Amino acid sequence: QKEVEQNSGPLSVPEGAIASLNCTYSDRGSQSFFWYRQYSGKSPELIMSIYSNGDKEDGRFTAQLNKASQYVSLLIRDSQPSDSATYLCAVNVGRYNQGGKLIFGQGTELSVKP
Amino acid sequence: EAQVTQNPRYLITVTGKKLTVTCSQNMNHEYMSWYRQDPGLGLRQIYYSMNVEVTDKGDVPEGYKVSRKEKRNFPLILESPSPNQTSLYFCASSLSVGTGEDYGYTFGSGTRLTVV
Repeated sequence: QKEVEQNSGPLSVPEGAIASLNCTYSDRGSQSFFWYRQYSGKSPELIMSIYSNGDKEDGRFTAQLNKASQYVSLLIRDSQPSDSATYLCAVNVGRYNQGGKLIFGQGTELSVKP
Repeated sequence: EAQVTQNPRYLITVTGKKLTVTCSQNMNHEYMSWYRQDPGLGLRQIYYSMNVEVTDKGDVPEGYKVSRKEKRNFPLILESPSPNQTSLYFCASSLSVGTGEDYGYTFGSGTRLTVV
């Protein structure tokens, strides 16, 4: 069974701090990695994608990927109360003929305190 | 507006009564998928489709059927619903999912199903 693991939290950070969210995955052949944000009662919303080792920055968000360690992380700089949500790590475990097989971790609940 | 539309948003039904949850996308996406979300278990993939008439099982396909006769529609069918299928269901679509250019899934608003 291919797995994606996240700490469930809750992770609590003060407003303005850096929030660090982590994810590990079991399928060494995975090529595509995503972070979704889900507010309570809402659908998941894609915020970052990453395919290559290293860092990818988009505004206050930075995704980091280390395929050798099978590790993906998301950093949120200058955290705001509006960032309070559950963050889902997702990994595409499909191959060329199985595109679309995207599995999710259970999510980390983030709480940003004013 | 680009979107994935699911109907109904809420549904209460009785055990054994066949039901269909519809899903439609207006973005000409190749890929579509169904997920269920349960407390403590997270999002689990039920089925996905790479194109018209091409579907494959996800991690929890038992008790569900899908069909992809048109590119924009991907209905989820429960032939004989049971209480353990009570869940929050999401339909999703993507322009491209896999290696290379991979845009990830865009999710619909969800369907909360209760089977009594």
